[in-house]
Parts: sequence; structure tokens; C-alpha cells
Amino acid sequence: DAGITQSPRHKVTETGTPVTLRCHQTENHRYMYWYRQDPGHGLRLIHYSYGVKDTDKGEVSDGYSVSRSKTEDFLLTLESATSSQTSVYFCAISDRGTSGYEQYFGPGTRLTVT
Amino acid sequence: GENVEQHPSTLSVQEGDSAVIKCTYSDSASNYFPWYKQELGKRPQLIIDIRSNVGEKKDQRIAVTLNKTAKHFSLHITETQPEDSAVYFCAVEGRYSSASKIIFGSGTRLSIRP
Repeated sequence: DAGITQSPRHKVTETGTPVTLRCHQTENHRYMYWYRQDPGHGLRLIHYSYGVKDTDKGEVSDGYSVSRSKTEDFLLTLESATSSQTSVYFCAISDRGTSGYEQYFGPGTRLTVT
Repeated sequence: GENVEQHPSTLSVQEGDSAVIKCTYSDSASNYFPWYKQELGKRPQLIIDIRSNVGEKKDQRIAVTLNKTAKHFSLHITETQPEDSAVYFCAVEGRYSSASKIIFGSGTRLSIRP
């Protein structure tokens, strides 16, 4: 597997609390992505980054923010967690932003909001 | 925006038989079509991809076909084995302003009966 780690791997939190998930890569890839995976919906893009301090929204970005202060780290923050954000979160990386380059996924973080 | 539909959502085949999963997409400008396999509790991993200048691509027991006119593509697995049991996702590449994006289908859960 590509050098991607996610932390924590599992988290249970209460509604209204802030949560930060971390994605760390050792591949020096420029592009990083956060997805959520829910039954019946496949993988949906939350936010992505195309360089340090360069980020943009995906298709389901409401309620999430991201930051990338170093090439290797991409943080996903839920400012005030809600039960609808219970999901499995995957980080992905890619070394190109142009057509036809594979995305490599991290191991995932299972988040439960009670 | 791009829309990807995947069928069937579940598929059960006898070991040794073939399995076919079909996807349709909406954006005629799309030109990269990867397939990902996700085993239970694991991360998605690319198993095969095809670009728009190719109608068919084969890798051992798996093959993908693409019909750009009809905007659909399919995954074919021959001589299925127990280790083929997984969730399979088709995907289509589109573009955001600053990077490529991968739009995933909703997944097909493939079960191989012994």
C-alpha cells in the first residue's frame, strides 16, 4: 500500500463536539482528497487539496473544513459533529491532477457521532 | 455535473461462472474510467482502468469494455473465485477547477457461491 496513514482509525464522539481527522502521506504527492463512504452512496468527495494551503470543495462539503499546512498532512475538521456525519472517512492521494492517474486510498477512519 | 449509475447493487454467482457489472455516465467529455475493488473492512484498490481511446482492456480474468457512444462501460470477471467476493465500484473522471475528480458509482456487492 502507498504510504498513507489515517488517525484515528476509530472514533466515537457526541453531537456538537469538534472532531479532526488526520491524513499523513510519505509519498510527497501533490493532490490529496477526503471522501466519505456510506451504504448505497459509494464514495463521495468532501474536499480536496492541490498543494500546500490550496484546497477546494467537493460534492458534500457542508459541515466540513480542511487544512493543509504541509505536503504530507491533510486535516479534515467537523466543527460541530452531527449524527448525519457518522460514516467511514477515506483519505486519498494522487501524484497528478490530470487525466488518468490512480488515486491511492488510506485505511479509513470509522467515525460514530452519538 | 457528472452522474454515474451502477447495476446491479448485489450479485451472487456460482464459483467458476462469470460476473458482469455495468455502469452508465452522463458527461460525454469523460475519458478515464477506473474500477476499484473493496474487500470487507479494507480500503478501495484500483483493479483495472480504461481510457476513452480504447474499447476493451483485459488483465487475466478481468476485463473492462467501454462504449462511448452509449456512455456505458462494464466490468467482466471470468472463472470467478472465492477471493473475488468484494464490493466493486466503477468510477468516472471529471474535472474540478484545480484537479481531476473521481465520481464513484454506488457499488456492487459480489458474492461467490462455492
